[in-house]
Amino acid sequence: DTGVSQNPRHKITKRGQNVTFRCDPISEHNRLYWYRQTLGQGPEFLTYFQNEAQLEKSRLLSDRFSAERPKGSFSTLEIQRTEQGDSAMYLCASSLSGQSSGANVLTFGAGSRLTVL
Amino acid sequence: EDQVTQSPEALRLQEGESSSLNCSYTVSGLRGLFWYRQDPGKGPEFLFTLYSAGEEKEKERLKATLTKKESFLHITAPKPEDSATYLCAVQESTNAGKSTFGDGTTLTVKP
Repeated sequence: DTGVSQNPRHKITKRGQNVTFRCDPISEHNRLYWYRQTLGQGPEFLTYFQNEAQLEKSRLLSDRFSAERPKGSFSTLEIQRTEQGDSAMYLCASSLSGQSSGANVLTFGAGSRLTVL
Repeated sequence: EDQVTQSPEALRLQEGESSSLNCSYTVSGLRGLFWYRQDPGKGPEFLFTLYSAGEEKEKERLKATLTKKESFLHITAPKPEDSATYLCAVQESTNAGKSTFGDGTTLTVKP
């Protein structure tokens, strides 16, 4: 397995445009997470899926953000009508669920860096 | 709401100079406390999970400990390759799907 893959790695866009990021998790992992990270801050939780079901979405998340995980495999994160404040690193992670010692340990991708001009 | 506070924000050490990083947390029922390492331009990489007060985990020059209110990451005789940002995260026992992260401690080890 090649780990968690994210594309594109970098995206520069103009304010008001829509952008979409893709995440391919580790194939055996049933949970997939999206986090946002800005410089000097820790990752901020956005949402997570168990299989194809979106189980939680941060209440701080604007309605301009939407995530999908069709068929419980890859996921996409779309940001509509981007704003300069959306500029950040968008991190995807995956894990197994359950109570075993390795469950819920996040394996992160390298992230997708968004710059909104 | 869960809260995680890490200190110091930045730490500069000479090679071989041991020190500790602190992670204070508030959570309504701890399922687990996690330490991750993050190198510039990369995603965080898992180091340790601690589940109950008194638990300790070790890996090379790193040792993580846990109390009911905080966790420490002890670094013994660090090397320049230990330079990174170290992140602490907690999961609630009732919601293991969400990890709440601190803002990290950026460690720089000078040769």
